[in-house]
Amino acid sequence: GENVEQHPSTLSVQEGDSAVIKCTYSDSASNYFPWYKQELGKGPQLIIDIRSNVGEKKDQRIAVTLNKTAKHFSLHITETQPEDSAVYFCAASIGSGYALNFGKGTSLLVTP
Amino acid sequence: EAGVVQSPRYKIIEKKQPVAFWCNPISGHNTLYWYLQNLGQGPELLIRYENEEAVDDSQLPKDRFSAERLKGVDSTLKIQPAELGDSAVYLCASSLGRGGHEQFFGPGTRLTVL
Repeated sequence: GENVEQHPSTLSVQEGDSAVIKCTYSDSASNYFPWYKQELGKGPQLIIDIRSNVGEKKDQRIAVTLNKTAKHFSLHITETQPEDSAVYFCAASIGSGYALNFGKGTSLLVTP
Repeated sequence: EAGVVQSPRYKIIEKKQPVAFWCNPISGHNTLYWYLQNLGQGPELLIRYENEEAVDDSQLPKDRFSAERLKGVDSTLKIQPAELGDSAVYLCASSLGRGGHEQFFGPGTRLTVL
């Protein structure tokens, strides 16, 4: 399938700082870009998503931006808290369908 | 409302043995997905169902893997025979379908093949 590349693979920030995770995709037909948070021993949990007709979306401390021309999208977490520590995955729809291609994940550690 | 339910949560078997995983999606969700997640990797799609029809199974290793979704609700994923490389977490997800992209994941089944 088409690739979704995610960077960085690990990220360590101090509590209160911001965290940014970036992804690129290759399928120009992709139109849906969700972000998932996965805690140890649990399934991925949807935290925010964006569709191709929107450039930016915000939900409290979390925001996502999308640049369709450059085929990249980013997750921004402000005022990080220790409970934000988890693995975060970006994904892109396979074409305009419902199946998703996932990035390899970013392990975020927020230290008090 | 209950989320996606999977069982068992953990399974340890010896190679060449069969194994089956069960998934109950969120009520009303027409679309069901099975994903494979290797350690340190993102989920990879194995198969997608629209109601009882498998509409995308190109990534399913059909020589040993099979799946079914009888009556368009619960689904079972089977491996026979299991190989050492099948050790992974098997995730089930569901979505409304028909424009409802949001996928909701279950907790997964962690399979260990010895």
